[in-house]
Amino acid sequence: EDQVTQSPEALRLQEGESSSLNCSYTVSGLRGLFWYRQDPGKGPEFLFTLYSAGEEKEKERLKATLTKKESFLHITAPKPEDSATYLCAVQGQGGSEKLVFGKGTKLTVNP
Amino acid sequence: GAVVSQHPSRVICKSGTSVKIECRSLDFQATTMFWYRQFPKQSLMLMATSNEGSKATYEQGVEKDKFLINHASLTLSTLTVTSAHPEDSSFYICSAREVYTDTQYFGPGTRLTVL
Repeated sequence: EDQVTQSPEALRLQEGESSSLNCSYTVSGLRGLFWYRQDPGKGPEFLFTLYSAGEEKEKERLKATLTKKESFLHITAPKPEDSATYLCAVQGQGGSEKLVFGKGTKLTVNP
Repeated sequence: GAVVSQHPSRVICKSGTSVKIECRSLDFQATTMFWYRQFPKQSLMLMATSNEGSKATYEQGVEKDKFLINHASLTLSTLTVTSAHPEDSSFYICSAREVYTDTQYFGPGTRLTVL
């Protein structure tokens, strides 16, 4: 059974204090790993798709990396507007198009 | 690009009535759409997978006669909550899969409150 574990559950940072969020996964053949950002009362907003180990993608202050067992979302010099819950999800190659989500990391960036 | 809309964004109804929620992919065609439910401070729970022109596939424990899903075109899927009760109150979110990148794009969600 595909599983995703995100850590930490919650993270408080000061503005400008860089950090990383972790997403550990087990899947029977990775078809894709996805990062989303969700603000309260809204649907998840797509950030990145990673397909194979060693792949990296960047967008503004965010950088996502992927290994065979985990993915990291690095946040460089965060701003208060980066505060949100970050969700990680995987899709396996078992034929299903379903995503398996982690429980998310709630990030709070204080000014 | 890759925008998904949902309508309505918020609905309040009386117990026993039915409510229809629409999900549209605005700038791409989606052969597959998904419906999720999210409880406060919890992650998304997949309810069903909707394929254009065929019957939806429901997750275990989801009542297919209560949550009717129709995916009549490549850009529109609807979820109808029939005979709604207070326990159906929740945040419902749809997503549409973009074929070329295999990425699901989510709608903004619909807050359903059943009185």
